[in-house]
Amino acid sequence: EAGVAQSPRYKIIEKRQSVAFWCNPISGHATLYWYQQILGQGPKLLIQFQNNGVVDDSQLPKDRFSAERLKGVDSTLKIQPAKLEDSAVYLCASSRWPGTGAHQRTGELFFGEGSRLTVL
Amino acid sequence: AQKVTQAQTEISVVEKEDVTLDCVYETRDTTYYLFWYKQPPSGELVFLIRRNSFDEQNEISGRYSWNFQKSTSSFNFTITASQVVDSAVYFCALRGYSGGSNYKLTFGKGTLLTVNP
Repeated sequence: EAGVAQSPRYKIIEKRQSVAFWCNPISGHATLYWYQQILGQGPKLLIQFQNNGVVDDSQLPKDRFSAERLKGVDSTLKIQPAKLEDSAVYLCASSRWPGTGAHQRTGELFFGEGSRLTVL
Repeated sequence: AQKVTQAQTEISVVEKEDVTLDCVYETRDTTYYLFWYKQPPSGELVFLIRRNSFDEQNEISGRYSWNFQKSTSSFNFTITASQVVDSAVYFCALRGYSGGSNYKLTFGKGTLLTVNP
């Protein structure tokens, strides 16, 4: 089973520029998550999709961040304009939820390798 | 609100030593799930273990074991006979269940484990 794919792995931009990250979840996984992981901290949820609908975007800085999952499969996270404090690793994860049995609640997340953003 | 605290920022041990990673959590949910994830230098978070709140049985799986104590809201993780390949950042995470549709996973800040040869 192929894992969660993310690109690019690394990106360096200057502040006020824009950047986009792409994620392709594991085939058949209905739920997709974008997490932001700042150096030395745990991942923080930015947005959660179920199929192509948003379940939770309460921690997404909507003035500069946007995300979409138009066909309910792959997803794009965009930052425009970027700020210095956006330097972080952006992790994409997927899960089978809503599924059946144990996965319906436990919803084990499978993570990609992340996209490391440096804003200068 | 959910909160996960990993008080140990960094731990350094010598190979073959046992090491325990501490995790304390807060939640108002009566049903919840606790996880440990490993993040090696490659960056990918790797799922290690999941426990639910209504099963406090502790288990051992190979060199890994965990101690879940609801009374103290702790979910500690032990690696026996540590190896250099165990060097990574370890995250404890909590997912509450309130009957809603959002199963947000809340992570601690992580513990950097370095196993020296």
